[in-house]
Amino acid sequence: DAMVIQNPRYQVTQFGKPVTLSCSQTLNHNVMYWYQQKSSQAPKLLFHYYDKDFNNEADTPDNFQSRRPNTSFCFLDIRSPGLGDAAMYLCATSRDIRIEYPGTYEQYFGPGTRLTVT
Amino acid sequence: AQSVTQLDSHVSVSEGTPVLLRCNYSSSYSPSLFWYVQHPNKGLQLLLKYTSAATLVKGINGFEAEFKKSETSFHLTKPSAHMSDAAEYFCVVTPNTGNQFYFGTGTSLTVIP
Repeated sequence: DAMVIQNPRYQVTQFGKPVTLSCSQTLNHNVMYWYQQKSSQAPKLLFHYYDKDFNNEADTPDNFQSRRPNTSFCFLDIRSPGLGDAAMYLCATSRDIRIEYPGTYEQYFGPGTRLTVT
Repeated sequence: AQSVTQLDSHVSVSEGTPVLLRCNYSSSYSPSLFWYVQHPNKGLQLLLKYTSAATLVKGINGFEAEFKKSETSFHLTKPSAHMSDAAEYFCVVTPNTGNQFYFGTGTSLTVIP
């Protein structure tokens, strides 16, 4: 089945120690998204890629970076995690509205990576 | 501007009774609307979507939603709640002008045995 895969499912890192979260997809979608979701809150968009075109949200801290080496993979790098960065990180993909007929697409989500900062 | 308001942060129903989760939206364009469900420590699963075709949309697990443009609403309903429906539900809107999806704050559904 085509899907969105996130690794690892659970990640523990130390305060200030860089960490990388991974997302891969077999859907061949142009667009990939990273969301941060804290407990009992809605997902908050950090950034998204249209192919290799990176789109950062205005309020995403500089501490968060992303790489997309190819269509299938996207990485979230947290350069110096703080206690406030502990959250679920969700990766999602979608077709590209600029190519597809409007309204024929939705986001497909991975299972998430639960990040703990000690 | 685009936004989504989920009117109830928590809804509690008895098993076998109807479910109503309310969502109102604001969009400058003809939007597409979605309902997603999230079980604890899991990713989001699409329940259903409205994409300017039929205004009454049927989804998975017996859920349906009706798009009412005059009321700017897209409420989620189910005739009979099941224990497995207990989860967090998110209403999402996209204005169809870019790769942007706007989330509501979520509604936590509790199903009482």
